[in-house]
Amino acid sequence: NAGVMQNPRHLVRRRGQEARLRCSPMKGHSHVYWYRQLPEEGLKFMVYLQKENIIDESGMPKERFSAEFPKEGPSILRIQQVVRGDSAAYFCASRKMGAGYTFGSGTRLTVV
Amino acid sequence: DAKTTQPTSMDCAEGRAANLPCNHSTISGNEYVYWYRQIHSQGPQYIIHGLKNNETNEMASLIITEDRKSSTLILPHATLRDTAVYYCIVRVRGSNYKLTFGKGTLLTVNP
Repeated sequence: NAGVMQNPRHLVRRRGQEARLRCSPMKGHSHVYWYRQLPEEGLKFMVYLQKENIIDESGMPKERFSAEFPKEGPSILRIQQVVRGDSAAYFCASRKMGAGYTFGSGTRLTVV
Repeated sequence: DAKTTQPTSMDCAEGRAANLPCNHSTISGNEYVYWYRQIHSQGPQYIIHGLKNNETNEMASLIITEDRKSSTLILPHATLRDTAVYYCIVRVRGSNYKLTFGKGTLLTVNP
């Protein structure tokens, strides 16, 4: 039973490009969370999604960031027109109803 | 969610018990205490959680004081692989499971 799969593990983008981060939850998990960890800091909640619905996006920057969790396929965190300050580790976690989180190994985004 | 306070860092000798404290003096009755850890460059790993009773699993024990204002995570026989940042998190029951991570405690297990 595979865990939460995130890809790519490492992503390098030039300023102004788009970054697309993918997260495949564990089998049977219908709740997905995205967290961001800036260098030397703790994890910060970004967004919580269920299939085809955004439940809580209170931690998501208002501009350039978007997330989706379609009926089929992985959850996608999309960052448009990346800037150096977006460089961070982005972690996805999934859970099923009534249970706790399982985190993925993260995507390290570097903006050059 | 209630704020938690943890020491910045701790050391422990390999094979000894590691006792990691956490203060959550403003915790309310419907808030759980969760512990996660993050080994360098990896995703956080769930360890244990509790509401008011002490809990034990294959990884650790969680001791919550009677007034619930503090708790201690106990790793009974620390190994070098337990070196990690340990996060104590308080979460409101039924709050969409959103977790608020602080800076945590860097536990270093020494040979």
